[in-house]
Order: sequence, then C-alpha cells, then structure tokens
Amino acid sequence: ETGVTQSPTHLIKTRGQQVTLRCSSQSGHNTVSWYQQALGQGPQFIFQYYREEENGRGNFPPRFSGLQFPNYSSELNVNALELDDSALYLCASSGRATEAFFGQGTRLTVV
Amino acid sequence: EDQVTQSPEALRLQEGESSSLNCSYTVSGLRGLFWYRQDPGKGPEFLFTLYSAGEEKEKERLKATLTKKESFLHITAPKPEDSATYLCAVRGGYQKVTFGTGTKLQVIP
Repeated sequence: ETGVTQSPTHLIKTRGQQVTLRCSSQSGHNTVSWYQQALGQGPQFIFQYYREEENGRGNFPPRFSGLQFPNYSSELNVNALELDDSALYLCASSGRATEAFFGQGTRLTVV
Repeated sequence: EDQVTQSPEALRLQEGESSSLNCSYTVSGLRGLFWYRQDPGKGPEFLFTLYSAGEEKEKERLKATLTKKESFLHITAPKPEDSATYLCAVRGGYQKVTFGTGTKLQVIP
C-alpha cells in the first residue's frame, strides 16, 4: 500500500455532466499529479500541483482543472464530459525524491 | 515532444526463463526515468528511478539499466507472480511525465 487514496473507486456519468475526483496524498508528500489511462494504454499526464500551485501540464483541454489543498490533498474536475473521457484516472504523490507513488485509481465511465 | 517506446508489447516466458524489456526514449532534459509494474485494474507500483547513463538498480529478480537513448529491465529467473504490465516513464522539462504503453509480461509455471 502506498498511502495514496482515491475516491470514488468507480463512477458513471452522463455526457455533458461535470465530475470531481479526489485524492489524498501520502504523508509527507507535497506534490500531486493526475493521469488518465485508457484501456490498454499507458497513463497520460494531465497536470501536477506543488504546494497548491499548478507547475506542469500535459496536453489536456482547460475543461480539465484541479486544486490542491493546504493538506496537499487534491481534486480533479472535468467539465462537459465526453464519451472519450471514459478511463481510469490515477493520482500520484511525491516528496523530495522525484518518484511518484500511485493510488488505486478511479474508473470513470461516461455514457 | 518527449516520446517513450516500449518493446515488446507482450512477452510470454516459462518460469525461470530470463529476458529483457526495452524502453527507448527521447526527452529534452531527462530528469528521471522510471519503471513501474501495473496489475490489472490497479495503480502502477513504483520499481526504480534512474537518472544518468550507466546507472543500474536492482530489486529481487529485477535489474534496470540506463543508456542515453534507452533503458532495459532485466528479469532473471521469473516466477508466475512477476506477471504484470511493466511501464516505463520519463520526466522532462516543465515537470511533464511521459509514459510508454507498457510490456505485458506473462510467466507460465
């Protein structure tokens, strides 16, 4: 167990809706990153937060947004859901070292 | 743009049959190359970080090596419990992390 927890584990939403996914980082870690993993693919980097500021972003549109809180937990928000947003969403936390430790993921299905 | 290519896509080994997985990468300003193991429906499990060419790290039956263009994950005498998808990733500029699509390893008893 990594100590990174994500909620919910599974979620079904309708196209056009908005969704919020949550992540609690491992104790002592101040950096959280989010990834989208489609079936059979590697994780795709969405963005990273360090001490409540976004400090890195992948090739995702602005409808993917996030927050990091003072306790270093984080949220991923996705607006105007599309069918292609169906995927496993992974959160990872890291500390002074660069390696990241992942949670178990949230499986999002958009219908 | 940073790129990571892993080969083979899938590998089937007999228990005890050693082999290597390949990760070729292009990145501007490598800030770390990572290996992860992922079981179906779960998040990736961290294995190794490598930072510079010539570096090697070992853990049980696994050994990771790094050159300026590629990394290898050597699996010695694998067991069925080593069956998983092995992911390679690089961290480049602006904190962006790029993953490969993985190698799915099956070890048969």
